[in-house]
Amino acid sequence: GAVVSQHPSRVICKSGTSVKIECRSLDFQATTMFWYRQFPKQSLMLMATSNEGSKATYEQGVEKDKFLINHASLTLSTLTVTSAHPEDSSFYICSAPFDRARTQYFGPGTRLLVL
Amino acid sequence: GEDVEQSLFLSVREGDSSVINCTYTDSSSTYLYWYKQEPGAGLQLLTYIFSNMDMKQDQRLTVLLNKKDKHLSLRIADTQTGDSAIYFCAETLNYGQNFVFGPGTRLSVLP
Repeated sequence: GAVVSQHPSRVICKSGTSVKIECRSLDFQATTMFWYRQFPKQSLMLMATSNEGSKATYEQGVEKDKFLINHASLTLSTLTVTSAHPEDSSFYICSAPFDRARTQYFGPGTRLLVL
Repeated sequence: GEDVEQSLFLSVREGDSSVINCTYTDSSSTYLYWYKQEPGAGLQLLTYIFSNMDMKQDQRLTVLLNKKDKHLSLRIADTQTGDSAIYFCAETLNYGQNFVFGPGTRLSVLP
């Protein structure tokens, strides 16, 4: 199957700083990637769809100026949490579709803790 | 609507079979998926089924699809402690542009 990586796997930052999370498709190209957020013991919440070479599409209620997404190449999408606050602490997961079924392959997730 | 529903918890004894159920609402879904999430990890694709199939078997996993009732199930035979995890079912909408997850079923395997 396809492999998606994320970096970092875990990050702790101070309130007010910005954090960048990378999502890479390792053995395939992805014109589209998806960013999710998962709260403890809850399902995944789609935040935005990252589109290579164009603007991301954000889900309702997700602040695009807060969560900056850049998809500069066919194998890399980045999510930057700007001016992070403790309520941004969460588990962030990316995915990329692969194969004709557009099966989603997920990264291992990034746990963000904002102090 | 786009709701996918699952029961939240399931406990089974080691060696027994586990059956995790899911209902979805969009009859136009073309693919339906089962993912496994272990603590602190991302989602691992277990299996998927195309909507024109009613059963798919892969080693200990059996997926049953009832399109009429919009019901999907995942059966794990000979459940092991390593199967303890959260299992998410998901459907694709809009030709793969949208991916809708259920809330997840937490499977606990008792010795």
